Amino acid sequence: EVQMVQSGAEVKKPGESLKISCQGSGYTFSTYWIGWVRQMPGKAPEWMGIIYPLDSDTRYSPSFEGQVTISADKSINTAYLQWSSLKASDSAIYYCARLDASRGSCFYWGQGTLVTVSS
Amino acid sequence: EIVMTQSPGTLSVSPGERVTLSCRASQSVSSNLAWYQQKPGQAPRLLIYAASTRATGIPARFSGSGSGTEFTLTISSLESEDLAVYYCQQYNNWLGTFGQGTKVEIK
Repeated sequence: EVQMVQSGAEVKKPGESLKISCQGSGYTFSTYWIGWVRQMPGKAPEWMGIIYPLDSDTRYSPSFEGQVTISADKSINTAYLQWSSLKASDSAIYYCARLDASRGSCFYWGQGTLVTVSS
Repeated sequence: EIVMTQSPGTLSVSPGERVTLSCRASQSVSSNLAWYQQKPGQAPRLLIYAASTRATGIPARFSGSGSGTEFTLTISSLESEDLAVYYCQQYNNWLGTFGQGTKVEIK
């Protein structure tokens, strides 16, 4: 059974750093693209970027380039999303999702990680 | 960036009614379009991919159609469990942009 399990909710202060994770299981982790999606309260999902764990080929949406870093450790089947300096506007739910083979649709999603940034 | 526009923003319907949701792309995405259902507190759930193919486990009352720039999601007979927000997503390029969503609520 394919599962994407994300790390738990985080409460941080502006300026702090953060790294959240997404562990895949039940499939060959390194050979499927993993994407990160931001969803702000009451808003549509936004594609942040994707990574191919086998060679760490990473692509960012222009809106998120330079704002976050996406990485992966294929030895432990885990992808990461990190910030070096959080802002209040980074408060949102972040989902990881596995891109379906040969398509950009996503059948398998993580449960979401709520990030709250507040002073 | 390809912009996806969904209409209407909100749809008020009664159980048993036929529901039609629209999605328009700012440029052709061929058939590289997916539909998702999202309920409060849950991750999006894939309903349709390749514009018209139902994902595994999705009831037959959900169907998708269209190609190029105009797409439709139809629920043939609405059930109460279908109350949710529905998003279209293009994946013609790797940056899979979503529409702003259509909320389906009880009339």
